[in-house]
Amino acid sequence: GAGVSQTPSNKVTEKGKYVELRCDPISGHTALYWYRQSLGQGPEFLIYFQGTGAADDSGLPNDRFFAVRPEGSVSTLKIQRTERGDSAVYLCASSRQTSGQGADTQYFGPGTRLTVL
Amino acid sequence: AQSVSQHNHHVILSEAASLELGCNYSYGGTVNLFWYVQYPGQHLQLLLKYFSGDPLVKGIKGFEAEFIKSKFSFNLRKPSVQWSDTAEYFCAVGPSGTYKYIFGTGTRLKVLA
Repeated sequence: GAGVSQTPSNKVTEKGKYVELRCDPISGHTALYWYRQSLGQGPEFLIYFQGTGAADDSGLPNDRFFAVRPEGSVSTLKIQRTERGDSAVYLCASSRQTSGQGADTQYFGPGTRLTVL
Repeated sequence: AQSVSQHNHHVILSEAASLELGCNYSYGGTVNLFWYVQYPGQHLQLLLKYFSGDPLVKGIKGFEAEFIKSKFSFNLRKPSVQWSDTAEYFCAVGPSGTYKYIFGTGTRLKVLA
């Protein structure tokens, strides 16, 4: 079946602008995650959804970042008043569920490369 | 704080050489462990995972990893690398009772034909 898809693949914006990044998870996956990967680093956790609700948003760097998943499928990561330091690859992942022993296997999308000029 | 260390940032090998990439984590509880690979121009793909049971796990493309609990390590190995193994490899830890992964900084492997 289809994997996790993310749009756009690349986004260039100017400092101070608002951007939205979209993630379409694997069909049937109830858990959805956003990560951010800066140059030379591994992905860093931002937020986790179980169904429609954000179960953990502790990784969001500040209140300029917000994410929604209104129908429990597609998710949108929203960044207000973008700054140059927001430039990174934003990755989305999904999994079937979280098990009692910890996170289930996460399947990653191709990412959106955000460049803030 | 929980962290994952990948000591080798860049590795260059000739084809047919053996590979071992180190991964150590700092977390005292039960963990799930993963290795992901990112080929040039492609997205992260799962290479192998450990949840429980036999600490020696085998993944795709001839890769394997061994979980040594006493050393907090989950090193990745392959007996004979190929040019097509050129990629970046990430170790990730999912502490029990949580759902977020903690990633290492990655190891860039270049295999010379």
